[in-house]
Amino acid sequence: QAQLHQSGPGVVRPSETLSLTCTVSDDSFGNGDYHWGWVRLPPGKGLEWIGNVSYGGRTSYNPSLKSRVTVSVDTSKSQFSLKVRSVTAADTAIYYCVRHPTFDFWGQGTLVIVSS
Amino acid sequence: DVVMTQSPLSLPVTLGQPASISCNSSQSLVYSDGNTYLNWFQLRPGQSPRRLIYRVSNRASGVPDRFSGSGSGTDFTLRISRVEAEDVGVYYCMQGAHLPLTFGGGTKVEIK
Repeated sequence: QAQLHQSGPGVVRPSETLSLTCTVSDDSFGNGDYHWGWVRLPPGKGLEWIGNVSYGGRTSYNPSLKSRVTVSVDTSKSQFSLKVRSVTAADTAIYYCVRHPTFDFWGQGTLVIVSS
Repeated sequence: DVVMTQSPLSLPVTLGQPASISCNSSQSLVYSDGNTYLNWFQLRPGQSPRRLIYRVSNRASGVPDRFSGSGSGTDFTLRISRVEAEDVGVYYCMQGAHLPLTFGGGTKVEIK
């Protein structure tokens, strides 16, 4: 079974860049049938899809965030990453990494609070 | 974007009784390959989302058979045949047929 482990800071200052990494412990990371992406859950709101990346580096993004988001892959480390630039309080959320398109394996979640 | 509308927002249920959640999409979720990409997830407090149902009616591995999904096109339903205490949480539908992927607003299931 795939295991996804997230890492990254829990507090980010306004206007700075949020950075999270997800490490995949499973051979499926190199399987072209899967992509790797991010979903977030703001407090008191619903789930929101952020974007994903293929093993070869092809990306898809939610247009609502596209101008500020980068999802990238590091195949040598079996990792993929999320960067959200110019964060505001509205970016405060639990962030999850998740295997696409099946959405069957999720990371443990990281609460990121945007605060000075 | 495809808008996913769930109802009800809140669902108080009695233990052992059935429960039903509806999900309506603003566009058909039938993809070009002929499959319908509609998933259901359960989100319990303090846990990561758990996939319950994929492609409308397929139960994910380890999901109890009291959970079932049905529907077609734009109208879908998640049913719990007999609610147990561990079923408390928020349930989301999600469409995977069109980018950007979108979720319903969520239905909070609680015990009366």
